[in-house]
Amino acid sequence: GAGVSQSPSNKVTEKGKDVELRCDPISGHTALYWYRQSLGQGLEFLIYFQGNSAPDKSGLPSDRFSAERTGGSVSTLTIQRTQQEDSAVYLCASSPRGALGNTIYFGEGSWLTVV
Amino acid sequence: AQKITQTQPGMFVQEKEAVTLDCTYDTSDQSYGLFWYKQPSSGEMIFLIYQGSYDEQNATEGRYSLNFQKARKSANLVISASQLGDSAMYFCAMREGNTGNQFYFGTGTSLTVIP
Repeated sequence: GAGVSQSPSNKVTEKGKDVELRCDPISGHTALYWYRQSLGQGLEFLIYFQGNSAPDKSGLPSDRFSAERTGGSVSTLTIQRTQQEDSAVYLCASSPRGALGNTIYFGEGSWLTVV
Repeated sequence: AQKITQTQPGMFVQEKEAVTLDCTYDTSDQSYGLFWYKQPSSGEMIFLIYQGSYDEQNATEGRYSLNFQKARKSANLVISASQLGDSAMYFCAMREGNTGNQFYFGTGTSLTVIP
């Protein structure tokens, strides 16, 4: 499809394990965002990539969280030594560069449950 | 300071009535864009409407309109003739022109339409 693709859609992991969440943005979109959303809550910004610029990592909640974007396309969000409070939906979004009015397009999210 | 503030955690509206969801923003940029998104219980984020800071007229998209008051830094969403399918979370967001593609989201308002 032509939309933002995220995998896995659901992940159950044991506390203390590492997880990787993948995001494949819309082709040609230079900006990529990761957000976290706990049940019934708002969007918590995690990290933002724009082209070849240094990413804005200001939203990462701890050093257990990291993300990379390879080749300006696919991104992987890694959570090390998962904790129960990491349980949430992790949303990826992408946007084309250019006009201020360009919206961002969200994927369907990766639902992470840490048990 | 919060970039986007949504002060109504939950709202109720009678079917077929109009409802206003509040959003205020904080920026020192002259150029910025304001967005509203709908998130139904299924979880996907749906783009509803956009208002540019230089747009002189309030944006409208079908039953959605944006009441843009630049001096007050508010961008309220008005939904006319509410329908049961409008029950969802609604998020206000801003993109600042001088900082590229960074998007800021509010904490959301949960709207329930009562039959």
